[in-house]
Amino acid sequence: DVKVTQSSRYLVKRTGEKVFLECVQDMDHENMFWYRQDPGLGLRLIYFSYDVKMKEKGDIPEGYSVSREKKERFSLILESASTNQTSMYLCASSFSRGGPNTGELFFGEGSRLTVL
Amino acid sequence: AQSVTQLGSHVSVSEGALVLLRCNYSSSVPPYLFWYVQYPNQGLQLLLKYTTGATLVKGINGFEAEFKKSETSFHLTKPSAHMSDAAEYFCAVSFSGGYNKLIFGAGTRLAVHP
Repeated sequence: DVKVTQSSRYLVKRTGEKVFLECVQDMDHENMFWYRQDPGLGLRLIYFSYDVKMKEKGDIPEGYSVSREKKERFSLILESASTNQTSMYLCASSFSRGGPNTGELFFGEGSRLTVL
Repeated sequence: AQSVTQLGSHVSVSEGALVLLRCNYSSSVPPYLFWYVQYPNQGLQLLLKYTTGATLVKGINGFEAEFKKSETSFHLTKPSAHMSDAAEYFCAVSFSGGYNKLIFGAGTRLAVHP
């Protein structure tokens, strides 16, 4: 089974702190994604990566950066956390090529971040 | 631009009743369409998807959805609700060649009461 693992399920940070959210997948997927989930807004794409060291901005990249040094690992960085970044963060991965899993994203269990 | 609209942020049904969760999309190219389910404190799990071929798609746990191009809809149904179906459901759209970026609807929370 595909496994996407997010390093922390719950984090509490203070305003201005630097925050790292880590995500690892074990299925050799080319694509990796970071989404933010807020009530009533669904999931919004922050950044995605289609290859090592490659990244693309999603719909809400402001205040975030990402790093992908290895194919299996995709990190989300909040350089200076703010209270409006309190949210659930979901990592996902997928293949680029076709086949039975075409288009499907596999999700981690999420990291709930609270910024005080 | 692509977008997804889910009609109704909360839906409540009785156990054994029909479940109908509505999803409409806009897309300038042929879409891939998905329904995901999220149980409390968990990530998202794929229920079913439409990419090409048969427009009536069957998924896990007795759910199915029908792609209707003329109505730009992909509504999710289940003939008989079970208590275990209580969760949040997300409709999503992407298109081929787009790095599999999914655009999600706002979600519909399904409550099932005895």
